[in-house]
Amino acid sequence: NAGVMQNPRHLVRRRGQEARLRCSPMKGHSHVYWYRQLPEEGLKFMVYLQKENIIDESGMPKERFSAEFPKEGPSILRIQQVVRGDSAAYFCASSRPGGASSYNEQFFGPGTRLTVL
Amino acid sequence: AQKVTQAQTEISVVEKEDVTLDCVYETRDTTYYLFWYKQPPSGELVFLIRRNSFDEQNEISGRYSWNFQKSTSSFNFTITASQVVDSAVYFCALSEVNQGGKLIFGQGTELSVKP
Repeated sequence: NAGVMQNPRHLVRRRGQEARLRCSPMKGHSHVYWYRQLPEEGLKFMVYLQKENIIDESGMPKERFSAEFPKEGPSILRIQQVVRGDSAAYFCASSRPGGASSYNEQFFGPGTRLTVL
Repeated sequence: AQKVTQAQTEISVVEKEDVTLDCVYETRDTTYYLFWYKQPPSGELVFLIRRNSFDEQNEISGRYSWNFQKSTSSFNFTITASQVVDSAVYFCALSEVNQGGKLIFGQGTELSVKP
């Protein structure tokens, strides 16, 4: 059973371009979380998705950022018109579905390191 | 509001010393989970431990041990007889059951173990 996969591992963009980051969850996992780690900082929650639904996007910047998790295929984090401040490591995690009283561990991918020139 | 504080930004020790990494959390929920992750220089996140709010038993795993005290809202992590390979950034995190499982991370403590 492969772990959480993210690609690309490294992405370089020039200011104003678009960045697309992909996350393939573990088999059987239908929940995906995205986190951002700015240089010298801890990880910050961005968005929580289930298949075809955004559950919590309280950590997403209001502009230029969007996320989706379609019925088929990976979850995509999209950053439009990137700026230098978007340079960071973006981690995705996946988990199994669970009831309200249970907790299912999040498994992290290796991250995508975005550099904006 | 949820919050995790790791007051120690950087710690430097010499090999074989014991070291404790502090973690203090804030939450209004009665049901929550606490975690420690390790981030070595290679950058990936390595899961170390998860504890739920109803289990205050301390845990030991090899050279690692964790001290969970609800009375002081702390979940400290001790490495005994540290090794150079322990050099990494360590993150403490909190997850509230009613918040969908998202993790709230502390700022991290960078541990440097020198030979």
